[in-house]
Amino acid sequence: GQQLNQSPQSMFIQEGEDVSMNCTSSSIFNTWLWYKQDPGEGPVLLIALYKAGELTSNGRLTAQFGITRKDSFLNISASIPSDVGIYFCAGQRGGSNYKLTFGKGTLLTVNP
Amino acid sequence: SQTIHQWPATLVQPVGSPLSLECTVEGTSNPNLYWYRQAAGRGLQLLFYSVGIGQISSEVPQNLSASRPQDRQFILSSKKLLLSDSGFYLCAAGSLNTIYFGEGSWLTVV
Repeated sequence: GQQLNQSPQSMFIQEGEDVSMNCTSSSIFNTWLWYKQDPGEGPVLLIALYKAGELTSNGRLTAQFGITRKDSFLNISASIPSDVGIYFCAGQRGGSNYKLTFGKGTLLTVNP
Repeated sequence: SQTIHQWPATLVQPVGSPLSLECTVEGTSNPNLYWYRQAAGRGLQLLFYSVGIGQISSEVPQNLSASRPQDRQFILSSKKLLLSDSGFYLCAAGSLNTIYFGEGSWLTVV
């Protein structure tokens, strides 16, 4: 199926640094979701965005639904070692039976 | 929120053997249900989805099938496994524009 353009593919940062990743698409989405996946486990929902321009926080995580409805970003502030994992964006179009289109993920490594 | 259980967590099966992965959902009724496969390249591929009991939509032609015998039960099956069926299989349940994933099942076909 169609993939979202998620970048960067991977990041290596020092503990305490801030992180930013984003997803873009040529299509309009009604919903943007951000997930984190630890090795060998299922993705866990971090933040859900339902409205263009919406800015939502979950602890040190902040995500925004782009005003054009074709993009979204996720920021992590003051990273810690347990932030390590793969972060996925996912978009959902209206009338799609709630099917998601996923980005290919951003692999985050945090050096203590 | 919903809780999604998958089993078995890991499975090693010989080529040509049958497969049955099960998924049950708690905490919601009449969810949309999904089976995804995740290959080593990290991408999530939608295999099947269901909007109700007995209603299955297949996204890609393959050696697998899915069934939904009960509202909150989703089963992924194969009559004869291929080596290429190896991977990490994820069940997911969705409602209100949000989708939650199970813990995943690792399948290795040898």
